[in-house]
Amino acid sequence: DAEITQSPRHKITETGRQVTLACHQTWNHNNMFWYRQDLGHGLRLIHYSYGVQDTNKGEVSDGYSVSRSNTEDLPLTLESAASSQTSVYFCASSSTGSTGELFFGEGSRLTVL
Amino acid sequence: KQEVTQIPAALSVPEGENLVLNCSFTDSAIYNLQWFRQDPGKGLTSLLLIQSSQREQTSGRLNASLDKSSGRSTLYIAASQPGDSATYLCAVSFGTDKLIFGTGTRLQVFP
Repeated sequence: DAEITQSPRHKITETGRQVTLACHQTWNHNNMFWYRQDLGHGLRLIHYSYGVQDTNKGEVSDGYSVSRSNTEDLPLTLESAASSQTSVYFCASSSTGSTGELFFGEGSRLTVL
Repeated sequence: KQEVTQIPAALSVPEGENLVLNCSFTDSAIYNLQWFRQDPGKGLTSLLLIQSSQREQTSGRLNASLDKSSGRSTLYIAASQPGDSATYLCAVSFGTDKLIFGTGTRLQVFP
């Protein structure tokens, strides 16, 4: 069965360190998204990609970057982790952009101390 | 500002009850609306997607309705079961690149 997997599922890091969260999907979807989920804010879009070599900033992109070198993967990098980036991060993919049915990974819980 | 609101934030009902979850949005010019389920520590699972031209969608015991003019959608769950306990989120597409999520309703169905 096609799926979308995230790793690591849990990570603790220190302020200032670089962190990369991996996202791998086997749906063969062109469209991939990164969201963060915080209490009281719902899910907010960080970055998204509509295909290889395409990346776009979302609502809360400051301090994050992504790269898309193939269809399956969209890693999310925190260049210099900050305590405000403690959150649960979700990767999602879709065959028809943000207006189509979204398939989510199980999330990566990041704690920045 | 385009916003999506879900009230109540939490709901507790006995098994077997029919229930309605609410989602309201501030801009009637929507592309579509999705309802998701999220179990604790898990990702989101899409339940129903309603296009702006549709009034409702049904899947098993779930029925979602859409009233663009009043800026509201409801998710109706028939004959609720303990296994329905989860957080339910709605998300509204206000355009091809803008999907806004509500903060969810946490549902508990007790035996």
